[in-house]
Amino acid sequence: KNQVEQSPQSLIILEGKNCTLQCNYTVSPFSNLRWYKQDTGRGPVSLTIMTFSENTKSNGRYTATLDADTKQSSLHITASQLSDSASYICVVSASGGSYIPTFGRGTSLIVHP
Amino acid sequence: EPEVTQTPSHQVTQMGQEVILRCVPISNHLYFYWYRQILGQKVEFLVSFYNNEISEKSEIFDDQFSVERPDGSNFTLKIRSTKLEDSAMYFCASSRYSGRSASTDTQYFGPGTRLTVL
Repeated sequence: KNQVEQSPQSLIILEGKNCTLQCNYTVSPFSNLRWYKQDTGRGPVSLTIMTFSENTKSNGRYTATLDADTKQSSLHITASQLSDSASYICVVSASGGSYIPTFGRGTSLIVHP
Repeated sequence: EPEVTQTPSHQVTQMGQEVILRCVPISNHLYFYWYRQILGQKVEFLVSFYNNEISEKSEIFDDQFSVERPDGSNFTLKIRSTKLEDSAMYFCASSRYSGRSASTDTQYFGPGTRLTVL
């Protein structure tokens, strides 16, 4: 069964600090991995999308990495801001027939001043 | 900047009633999706729609659910006979290209409709 596990479940950091969120998956065959930011009560917003051949992708202060061999991804946030407080969701899609994406439960990030 | 819109923002209904959730995708997008998120749980894929037909559907998308693009702008999700467990936030999303294979198209999500079934 395809699964996406994220850690930590929640994280509290001080404004200006960096942090790294983890995503492990068992989805196979792999197509792409996406990171989303979801503010409370809002729809997810796409941060990065990576395919098998990509091992890093940046979007401003967000940098995602992918190791397709170990089936792990990370999202690194640099110089955190109060507005970074949100849930960060890892989503993995398979290829070869079914597109249906598998969502992780998300990491809840709180940035304190 | 174009965005996906959804109406209503909150829908309250009695168990067994039919509800229609409405979405207006971004105008030049070709692929449309519905997701749901039960309070405190992860987002779940329901269905994808392209060229006026369902492309993919999950196990959740059973016979009580249907989708339709009644005109050139709206995309709807109908739940025929709502159950208590249908209470959730329902998100519509759209993308310009296919969501299949190694496509890297971005999906744009709407703000969601919170459905409460009493």
